[in-house]
Amino acid sequence: GNSVTQMEGPVTLSEEAFLTINCTYTATGYPSLFWYVQYPGEGLQLLLKATKADDKGSNKGFEATYRKETTSFHLEKGSVQVSDSAVYFCALPDSGNTPLVFGKGTRLSVIA
Amino acid sequence: DAGITQSPRHKVTETGTPVTLRCHQTENHRYMYWYRQDPGHGLRLIHYSYGVKDTDKGEVSDGYSVSRSKTEDFLLTLESATSSQTSVYFCAISSGTANYGYTFGSGTRLTVV
Repeated sequence: GNSVTQMEGPVTLSEEAFLTINCTYTATGYPSLFWYVQYPGEGLQLLLKATKADDKGSNKGFEATYRKETTSFHLEKGSVQVSDSAVYFCALPDSGNTPLVFGKGTRLSVIA
Repeated sequence: DAGITQSPRHKVTETGTPVTLRCHQTENHRYMYWYRQDPGHGLRLIHYSYGVKDTDKGEVSDGYSVSRSKTEDFLLTLESATSSQTSVYFCAISSGTANYGYTFGSGTRLTVV
């Protein structure tokens, strides 16, 4: 089935630093790709998505581009804030548009 | 999210007892899912439903059963809880297939002692 691999954390950055969280995928066909964010004590929230190759998803200053050539969907933000401290999950549907498969998550801590 | 609620939010139970977790939605979405979240494993699918009385197993379904007798409720039952089922359980809903993305509940933290 389809799968994702994302960089292990934790990642610790100073406020206003540039963020990259790597995500690569293995998939049959071209499924939608997702980034979810989980703030402490909460459920996951959809952060952004891309539905086809070369699509760029964006939200709250975060961006990710669906790269078919490198099978990647890396999450980036130009200037992180303390409020961005959370766990970030990359995800895609399993083969045949069955339920989402999630990466193991990357914990981000931003310090002032 | 106001359209999906999980109950209880926290539960401590003893090994060998049955436990039922409830997921309730007000969005009239067709698809509902149960995941568990554990350190080092991310989220793993337990069971999912694609309609009333239509369910299927996920990656880690052993020891769990589900029921969906109406659109708005999806129940997860641990028939005889074990310590390995200590986890945080999340319910999610989607209006279409997984390509539409999910809305998650706030989770149930279950501790089996």
